[in-house]
Amino acid sequence: AQTVTQSQPEMSVQEAETVTLSCTYDTSENNYYLFWYKQPPSRQMILVIRQEAYKQQNATENRFSVNFQKAAKSFSLKISDSQLGDTAMYFCAISDQTGANNLFFGTGTRLTVIP
Amino acid sequence: DAGVTQSPTHLIKTRGQHVTLRCSPISGHKSVSWYQQVLGQGPQFIFQYYEKEERGRGNFPDRFSARQFPNYSSELNVNALLLGDSALYLCASSLGWNMNTEAFFGQGTRLTVV
Repeated sequence: AQTVTQSQPEMSVQEAETVTLSCTYDTSENNYYLFWYKQPPSRQMILVIRQEAYKQQNATENRFSVNFQKAAKSFSLKISDSQLGDTAMYFCAISDQTGANNLFFGTGTRLTVIP
Repeated sequence: DAGVTQSPTHLIKTRGQHVTLRCSPISGHKSVSWYQQVLGQGPQFIFQYYEKEERGRGNFPDRFSARQFPNYSSELNVNALLLGDSALYLCASSLGWNMNTEAFFGQGTRLTVV
């Protein structure tokens, strides 16, 4: 069974600064995907970035990048040039091998961007 | 294009009652999954359906059931509601059912059991 641990319940960052959110996971699967989702107050989960375990190169999406350490089972999210719109809950998730929609989520990190 | 739509947005039920939640996937998406998100927690996987067949089931009691219709919309049913069933229920759709396809979430149905 997959498990995801997010050890930072809350974090804050000044606007335009950089922040890193931590995530560790455990799985017995050989192939899997890792995800970071953002959930603003509107409640809709929005995919921020994803990483396939077989790819060694860290994924990047504009201001968002990950540090994927497969051996350590670590998957942190770095947000550069933080913006007020980045304020939200951030969830780390891992996929089940049976399908992209079988996601196992962590408990989330509440990020607040301070003007 | 419309995203994943869920109805109703909010719902209040009494313990012991039955509830049906509905989800319409993005046009062309054939896979629908359901998640339960209790306040302060991450979403927990309940069911996945693809092409009207159940493809996955999370660790939930038999009071929870679901189905997918020929138009790929889906219903989640919960019988004999308990106070602990109070949560945000999220639906996600994707083109396929494997790891290579991105899941898109709806805004959820907030269920309160009193």
